[in-house]
Amino acid sequence: SYELTQPPSVSVSPGQTARITCSGNALPKKYTYWYQQKSGQAPVVVIYEDSKRPSGIPERFSGSSSGTMATLTISGAQVEDEADYYCFSRDSSGNQGVFGGGTKLTVL
Amino acid sequence: QVHLVESGGGVVQPGRSLRLSCAASGFTFSDYGMHWVRQAPGKGLEWVALIWYDGSNKYYADSVKGRFTISRDTSKNTLYLQMNSLRAEDTAVYYCTRDLGDWNLGTSYFDYWGQGTLVTVSS
Repeated sequence: SYELTQPPSVSVSPGQTARITCSGNALPKKYTYWYQQKSGQAPVVVIYEDSKRPSGIPERFSGSSSGTMATLTISGAQVEDEADYYCFSRDSSGNQGVFGGGTKLTVL
Repeated sequence: QVHLVESGGGVVQPGRSLRLSCAASGFTFSDYGMHWVRQAPGKGLEWVALIWYDGSNKYYADSVKGRFTISRDTSKNTLYLQMNSLRAEDTAVYYCTRDLGDWNLGTSYFDYWGQGTLVTVSS
């Protein structure tokens, strides 16, 4: 079955730029979505359709996609951005959704 | 405001069945596709199933295909997940989510989530 690959963890200091990658063979033809999940809470979408930011999400969150890799960038990461981040996309058939394994972002 | 409230979780033996419900309010239920997403304890998110806004199409993850059935009752504004032949690896918190986009156009994403209901499969 189709898989999306993310690094298990990323660590930055406050104010630095955090980049979280997501790779998958179908990404050139499928949108990527990014979800933030803080401890004990339901996930929240922070980027949709590769690079669009929902209302209410800070401008420091941005997304991009090129070839088989999508990237979530947090410019000037804040302590409150510490969370697990998951990418989501579809398989090549378009019939199944798939989450990446998740990346734990530490900001300290 | 939008509310999604799951129920029906609990402890069940391997091989048995369970039906989850998700009561929706605050929006026109029949206008939106709905998904189930699960998360095993301490693990990542796993997409489980989707049902279109009108119930005409349903899609499943390979891990549950043939065992789980997603359905909806528009008159009750409720989403269901019938889970049969349960396995230990089905142990997870199950979330229902609303689809804001269009699965046909490849723009589906989850804008509202319930609080989840825990299913534990154990003898």
